[in-house]
Amino acid sequence: DTAVSQTPKYLVTQMGNDKSIKCEQNLGHDTMYWYKQDSKKFLKIMFSYNNKELIINETVPNRFSPKSPDKAHLNLHINSLELGDSAVYFCASSQDLRNSPLHFGNGTRLTVT
Amino acid sequence: KQEVTQIPAALSVPEGENLVLNCSFTDSAIYNLQWFRQDPGKGLTSLLLIQSSQREQTSGRLNASLDKSSGRSTLYIAASQPGDSATYLCAVPSGGSYIPTFGRGTSLIVHP
Repeated sequence: DTAVSQTPKYLVTQMGNDKSIKCEQNLGHDTMYWYKQDSKKFLKIMFSYNNKELIINETVPNRFSPKSPDKAHLNLHINSLELGDSAVYFCASSQDLRNSPLHFGNGTRLTVT
Repeated sequence: KQEVTQIPAALSVPEGENLVLNCSFTDSAIYNLQWFRQDPGKGLTSLLLIQSSQREQTSGRLNASLDKSSGRSTLYIAASQPGDSATYLCAVPSGGSYIPTFGRGTSLIVHP
């Protein structure tokens, strides 16, 4: 069983559309994250949730909205997609917030045309 | 704000060599430091996590050390193999935060 799973793996869409990426973890972890990896492979934190509560929201446009219906899920909804949103988006989870290793999904490659 | 730097950016070595990858960070008030590997087209795999009270951690052929006062960590890979080829990233929480900030990674190629 995949520990952290993201869907879809690839997402190609046009500018202006709205899309969602889903993430589920079956590890029983309390904390989940969304990271964005740009074309130069640099990983930047976008959001983090602990026990379904938002604890960090970096300088991300408000077109990006995370939603955590329960501790096992953290979905990412993106409105009015722009060319610059093209990247690989990674979901991750950890047992807790402080001293637990992160477990990553395999990423969603988003291409905006 | 935490800044994480990894040197070298790329490394190509013959099989069997012992390797040292470096990671430095600007804010030493950290809770832990993590090392990951990323294979092409894949997510990151956690290799080692060193808590701030620890000096080093070992897993198989990997050994990671942490010197908080100087803001440095090294990942030592013994007897490198072609299967070690990947990008290695270190991640350190920003000052006052638990959320890991990543370096840009070291791209490693081990050729037979």
